[in-house]
Amino acid sequence: EIVLTQSPATLSLSPGERATLSCRASQNVSRFLGWYQQKPGQAPRLLIYDASNRAAGIPGRFSGSGSATDFTLTISTLEPDDSAVYYCQHRGNWPLTFGGGTKVEIK
Amino acid sequence: QVRLQESGPGLVRPSETLSLTCTVSGYSISSFSFWGWIRQPPGKGLEWLGSIIHSGNAYYNPSLKGRGTMSVDSSKNQFSLRLKSLTAADTAVYYCAREGYFFDLWGQGTLVTVSS
Repeated sequence: EIVLTQSPATLSLSPGERATLSCRASQNVSRFLGWYQQKPGQAPRLLIYDASNRAAGIPGRFSGSGSATDFTLTISTLEPDDSAVYYCQHRGNWPLTFGGGTKVEIK
Repeated sequence: QVRLQESGPGLVRPSETLSLTCTVSGYSISSFSFWGWIRQPPGKGLEWLGSIIHSGNAYYNPSLKGRGTMSVDSSKNQFSLRLKSLTAADTAVYYCAREGYFFDLWGQGTLVTVSS
C-alpha cells in the first residue's frame, strides 16, 4: 500500500499570501496524484488531477506540481473562501489511498 | 446536471450488515467506467473502500478484510455497497463518487452510526 504523507498538518496564513502544501508518496506514483479541497460539512471537491491539471471550474490560483514521490499544491493568492482541509490521493495502483490532510486556516 | 445521492440507514447495530445505495441522475452509469465508495470517520481523513466498473467487476480495499461487496444495477442507474460484521470503527460518513482518473463528482454523503 502506498502511504501519502502530507505536510504541514496546519497552515495559518493571511489573505493574499501564498500557500504551499506538500504530499510525499512512499513509492513512485509517476504523476498519478490528485488534490481535493474539503470544507466542513461538505464532500471533497477535486482540484487537481494527474499532478498538475486543474479540474473543471477550478480557479487559476490553484496549481499542482511534482512527480514520482514529491508533490506540491500551491494556492498563489489566498482568499477567505480557501479555508478548508486539502487532501492528496494517488491512483498509482490498488488500493487507492489518501493523505492525512493539511488544514489551511485564513487569519 | 449530474447528481449522486447516497441512501441507507443512519443507524446500524454492531455485527449487522450495512447496505448503501448510490443513485446517479443526469448521467448513465454505463457511460463511465468506475464508481467508488469512500468513507470518513467523524473528524478524521478519507478512506477509499472500493470501486466498481459498470460491467460489475469490483476492487476493494484490503482493509475491509473481505467484509465489503459492491454491485451495479444499470436498469436503475444505481450502484451499491454492502458491508457486513459492522463494529463501532465503521461509524463514518459514507460517500459515493464518480471515478474517472480521480473522484470528480461526489454525493453529499450519508452518516452511518454503528451502535446498539
